Amino acid sequence: DAKTTQPNSMESNEEEPVHLPCNHSTISGTDYIHWYRQLPSQGPEYVIHGLTSNVNNRMASLAIAEDRKSSTLILHRATLRDAAVYYCVETSGSRLTFGEGTQLTVNP
Amino acid sequence: NAGVTQTPKFQVLKTGQSMTLQCAQDMNHNSMYWYRQDPGMGLRLIYYSASEGTTDKGEVPNGYNVSRLNKREFSLRLESAAPSQTSVYFCASSESSGFAAFYGYTFGSGTRLTVV
Repeated sequence: DAKTTQPNSMESNEEEPVHLPCNHSTISGTDYIHWYRQLPSQGPEYVIHGLTSNVNNRMASLAIAEDRKSSTLILHRATLRDAAVYYCVETSGSRLTFGEGTQLTVNP
Repeated sequence: NAGVTQTPKFQVLKTGQSMTLQCAQDMNHNSMYWYRQDPGMGLRLIYYSASEGTTDKGEVPNGYNVSRLNKREFSLRLESAAPSQTSVYFCASSESSGFAAFYGYTFGSGTRLTVV
């Protein structure tokens, strides 16, 4: 099954950009890269996803390496509400495989 | 905007008891999923249904059964609960079919199950 690698934790200051890295060395050519975040005691929340091109939405930007072996989730201005576990998720068909994620701490 | 609704939110079972976790979505999504999350870990796929009328095993299916009752509802059954099944269970749905994750997934708020 697909497997991603992320740092266990990262810290940021409020209103500064945050770049969350992910390696997905086993990804196949047709599998999408998804990002989700999870606040304490809540279900995961969809953030963004892409296949080959960089993607932007109201929550974040996703930069995908040309070889697709890595990606970076970019939060342009971190807020205290962005403190969560961020999961980079490889897909296999329509199945999502979660790793252990990155715990993001945002300092005021 | 209900999204994905899971019931119950909390449950305590004795070893050997059975129960069914209910999940319903109101977004007309094709595929539905059941995950479990143990403390400090990521989510693991138990079963999924790529479309109405089909179900498939995920990463950790042992001890569970599922039913895709209709397009809206996907239930997870524990026939004989064991302490190892103590976990938080999340249901999810997606507009994606079984071929690729074209769309994002919507998760429910979870069922916290304790087996004693």
